[in-house]
Amino acid sequence: NAGVTQTPKFQVLKTGQSMTLQCAQDMNHEYMSWYRQDPGMGLRLIHYSVGAGITDQGEVPNGYNVSRSTTEDFPLRLLSAAPSQTSVYFCASRWDRQGNTEAFFGQGTRLTVV
Amino acid sequence: LAKTTQPISMDSYEGQEVNITCSHNNIATNDYITWYQQFPSQGPRFIIQGYKTKVTNEVASLFIPADRKSSTLSLPRVSLSDTAVYYCLVGDMVQAGTALIFGKGTTLSVSS
Repeated sequence: NAGVTQTPKFQVLKTGQSMTLQCAQDMNHEYMSWYRQDPGMGLRLIHYSVGAGITDQGEVPNGYNVSRSTTEDFPLRLLSAAPSQTSVYFCASRWDRQGNTEAFFGQGTRLTVV
Repeated sequence: LAKTTQPISMDSYEGQEVNITCSHNNIATNDYITWYQQFPSQGPRFIIQGYKTKVTNEVASLFIPADRKSSTLSLPRVSLSDTAVYYCLVGDMVQAGTALIFGKGTTLSVSS
């Protein structure tokens, strides 16, 4: 049982490049989400999904796309990387049940855009 | 969106008990109170959840007064490894069908 797995752990991109951050969970959780965390800041929600085929925007969705074709995977795509997207990205998953507030987070992807 | 207020930072020494209080004056009747811990360079980790009175697990205790307008996370005998950011989440910050919404949290620094 691996929990939430994010790949890659580190990535350097040039401005304008595109890439996909991978997130996979093996707990059969309906709910998955992506956050970014800038130095000394809290976590800001980018996109989230409550099940396969369903996604929604969070607080800072611009410049990012997501899709949820399976329960297990929730990739985050950067369309055209910008230096402002330099950050640490975390993926999370949890059971979508009222009263369940326990989410599981991946170890993060540290992205630098130059 | 539910609003919580926590101290920005706290300092402690090894072996002391640390109490972090979170204010949530607008908590709704069926809202749970949840605390997360985030170590440097790691994702947040669920610590404890409660609805009323007291909850205890192997990591911490959570004290909730009768009016539920605040809660206190208690860490017994902290060590250097308890240095982390602690987040309090309430109500629509943790609703089913939506995302977890994190505030700025409390940065706890433990020194020897």
